[in-house]
Amino acid sequence: SQQGEEDPQALSIQEGENATMNCSYKTSINNLQWYRQNSGRGLVHLILIRSNEREKHSGRLRVTLDTSKKSSSLLITASRAADTASYFCATQGAQKLVFGQGTRLTINP
Amino acid sequence: DTGVSQDPRHKITKRGQNVTFRCDPISEHNRLYWYRQTLGQGPEFLTYFQNEAQLEKSRLLSDRFSAERPKGSFSTLEIQRTEQGDSAMYLCASSLIRTSGGNEQFFGPGTRLTVL
Repeated sequence: SQQGEEDPQALSIQEGENATMNCSYKTSINNLQWYRQNSGRGLVHLILIRSNEREKHSGRLRVTLDTSKKSSSLLITASRAADTASYFCATQGAQKLVFGQGTRLTINP
Repeated sequence: DTGVSQDPRHKITKRGQNVTFRCDPISEHNRLYWYRQTLGQGPEFLTYFQNEAQLEKSRLLSDRFSAERPKGSFSTLEIQRTEQGDSAMYLCASSLIRTSGGNEQFFGPGTRLTVL
């Protein structure tokens, strides 16, 4: 069974707008990671945030983590058509990653 | 290309047949993971190796599934007596042990299995 729940399940926005995806989880974690998956392809690691961190940036990505609420958010600023993909949060306790069901993001030109 | 590779990329088989998938991790990575992903869902953990030792197996890994990493390099995942419910994308990932802070896993392109 999957630990994370992502919200929304699908998101469609215009190119140039910002996209925000949320992730909630149930148990204590070592870190939380976000991955992107293009249709039918493997996963690409985007960013890792440790349990003692609250915010992290990488290029157009901003991730927040609230361990008291067991939630995280991923913000993609100035979206581009190439950002169209599924985005998954994954929590890591010891070794394995536990994924959410993902958010399907569509960027309309 | 020095990323994680998987072979084959696609496999179609008839119910009851055995199939074997191969994963070649990034060369210096000592951990290797197998996940399964069905349509519209996130990946689910199956098993992982540290070097040649299989350290954890999910309850999803029934006795029809077996994974090996004989020399601590490539790994194979075998499914015996396949069932239609085994149809999924099988993903392999590798990582390097870090002393703290968790580890980023690098994923291969996956093997898509269709059981008819």
